[in-house]
Amino acid sequence: AQKVTQAQTEISVVEKEDVTLDCVYETRDTTYYLFWYKQPPSGELVFLIRRNSFDEQNEISGRYSWNFQKSTSSFNFTITASQVVDSAVYFCALRGNTPLVFGKGTRLSVIA
Amino acid sequence: EPEVTQTPSHQVTQMGQEVILRCVPISNHLYFYWYRQILGQKVEFLVSFYNNEISEKSEIFDDQFSVERPDGSNFTLKIRSTKLEDSAMYFCASSPGTAAGQRVTEAFFGQGTRLTVV
Repeated sequence: AQKVTQAQTEISVVEKEDVTLDCVYETRDTTYYLFWYKQPPSGELVFLIRRNSFDEQNEISGRYSWNFQKSTSSFNFTITASQVVDSAVYFCALRGNTPLVFGKGTRLSVIA
Repeated sequence: EPEVTQTPSHQVTQMGQEVILRCVPISNHLYFYWYRQILGQKVEFLVSFYNNEISEKSEIFDDQFSVERPDGSNFTLKIRSTKLEDSAMYFCASSPGTAAGQRVTEAFFGQGTRLTVV
């Protein structure tokens, strides 16, 4: 069975702090994809990144970076120099041979 | 930038009524999905649709649910007799299918339809 665990339910940080959102997954599939989505207060789901299971290279996109560690089944997301606009619920998701399985999400509040 | 669009953004219906949620996927995409998110909870898969038929469905997608692609652009979710527990945000998504021979699995989501059953 596929499972995604986001142990942090809520995180609050002060603007300009760095913050890391944790994601741990379980799957028996050898080929799978990991995703992060952002859900701002307006409710839509915004695609942030996809990684496949064969590519453990870390990725950086502006203030966002992702650390994929297959050995620990983790796909953590770091926001550097957080901003108020980063306040949202962030979902990690997994796709193996089944449709997307989402974690419960981490609510990030960035305080000015 | 192409996007998935959903209408209406908010629908209120009485228990027992039928509702149809509408989606226009991204035009060259081949796979279509419905997910739902009960308030404050995680996003859950309902159904996927490919080549004019259901390819996968979850336990949630029981006989009261149906999907249809009535024309070349729309993708609809029908709930036959709504219950209070159907109140949720319903997301439509689409993905390209394949690109350069490889399976492309990004699912691009619409902005959602908030269904409230009273």
